[in-house]
Amino acid sequence: GQNIDQPTEMTATEGAIVQINCTYQTSGFNGLFWYQQHAGEAPTFLSYNVLDGLEEKGRFSSFLSRSKGYSYLLLKELQMKDSASYLCAVRDSNYQLIWGAGTKLIIKP
Amino acid sequence: ETGVTQSPTHLIKTRGQQVTLRCSSQSGHNTVSWYQQALGQGPQFIFQYYREEENGRGNFPPRFSGLQFPNYSSELNVNALELDDSALYLCASSLGSDSGANVLTFGAGSRLTVL
Repeated sequence: GQNIDQPTEMTATEGAIVQINCTYQTSGFNGLFWYQQHAGEAPTFLSYNVLDGLEEKGRFSSFLSRSKGYSYLLLKELQMKDSASYLCAVRDSNYQLIWGAGTKLIIKP
Repeated sequence: ETGVTQSPTHLIKTRGQQVTLRCSSQSGHNTVSWYQQALGQGPQFIFQYYREEENGRGNFPPRFSGLQFPNYSSELNVNALELDDSALYLCASSLGSDSGANVLTFGAGSRLTVL
């Protein structure tokens, strides 16, 4: 079967750095996405990786290792507004998105 | 540029009833996909429409059906509602079905409660 694993919940301090990991086992791979979802709102796109390595976008970076079936999302200089769920999704061989359950990130002052 | 809009935002139904959820895609997008998101879970893919044809379906029974119209708006229909159908239903639009990043733009969702 297809599976995406992420930690259920993480806590970090305002101004700090946090890394959210995602491991996946899917039938084929055609890209990995990270989305942010605030409570009661729609998911919004953060990043896309299809080749190995690090993609940096302001305070957010995303890393991919296809051989390890592994990705992480790195958030720097955390702000209170970063409190949200972070969803990892993989596009499989049928070009369908398989989603993880999301990691709820709690930022404390 | 308008985003993705969904209606209704909230609704309550009883078991056995039928429901229709509506979605207007973002301007210029020709692909619409529907997801079911239970509380505390990630979205589960229901199906996708590309240029009015269903071109992908997740593990949902036939009582979940849909349509895409010439203006690329879409409907999700669920018959014979069950308690487990209670969830947030998300519509997402994108340009093209497969290539590149093909970023999804989500609507705010329709929260369905089945009693």
